[in-house]
Amino acid sequence: DQQVKQNSPSLSVQEGRISILNCDYTNSMFDYFLWYKKYPAEGPTFLISISSIKDKNEDGRFTVFLNKSAKHLSLHIVPSQPGDSAVYFCAASEFGATNKLIFGTGTLLAVQP
Amino acid sequence: DTGVSQDPRHKITKRGQNVTFRCDPISEHNRLYWYRQTLGQGPEFLTYFQNEAQLEKSRLLSDRFSAERPKGSFSTLEIQRTEQGDSAMYLCASSPSGSSYNEQFFGPGTRLTVL
Repeated sequence: DQQVKQNSPSLSVQEGRISILNCDYTNSMFDYFLWYKKYPAEGPTFLISISSIKDKNEDGRFTVFLNKSAKHLSLHIVPSQPGDSAVYFCAASEFGATNKLIFGTGTLLAVQP
Repeated sequence: DTGVSQDPRHKITKRGQNVTFRCDPISEHNRLYWYRQTLGQGPEFLTYFQNEAQLEKSRLLSDRFSAERPKGSFSTLEIQRTEQGDSAMYLCASSPSGSSYNEQFFGPGTRLTVL
């Protein structure tokens, strides 16, 4: 039972253009959402997060949008750079004692020079 | 380097052997998590420590798995009688306590290969 889904296994974008990575979730109790970036042979690196009480959070080139009614969030990267090429994981947590993260399966982003 | 560290980075073992991994969290982070990642999947939660107390274990953590965090600092994850299905990347993460803080900081992982 996949509670967090990333339906696009891969995405290819030209340098300088916008990258849009999508994520859907099923558990309405999730109250915090995060995006992580992962390079091969490294652990995930935190990128940006959003609380369920907000619908947008921006940090430099990265913006996360949350649509609670659709149980959907997206990560926008503008402008995309070749160094952004990596696997991006969407994760969610439910308020409680542990704040454990539930991850999607990831989207491999390739930014072409 | 004050990030999360894990040791070893790679471990190759034969089926049936025991292995132990170590995680050193960021100083003063009292929350510590273990996750497992297999090919094509995202990390999956295994267990959680608040200081030295193990407060949650996933059903993925069979009886062959045991984790400890003595004195609330570093943590170890032991797998007994390894099986080929245990081959995966084992990730450790830490975070400060506080209900408003959800970001977890991950180490580089330990890649386990069971032959």
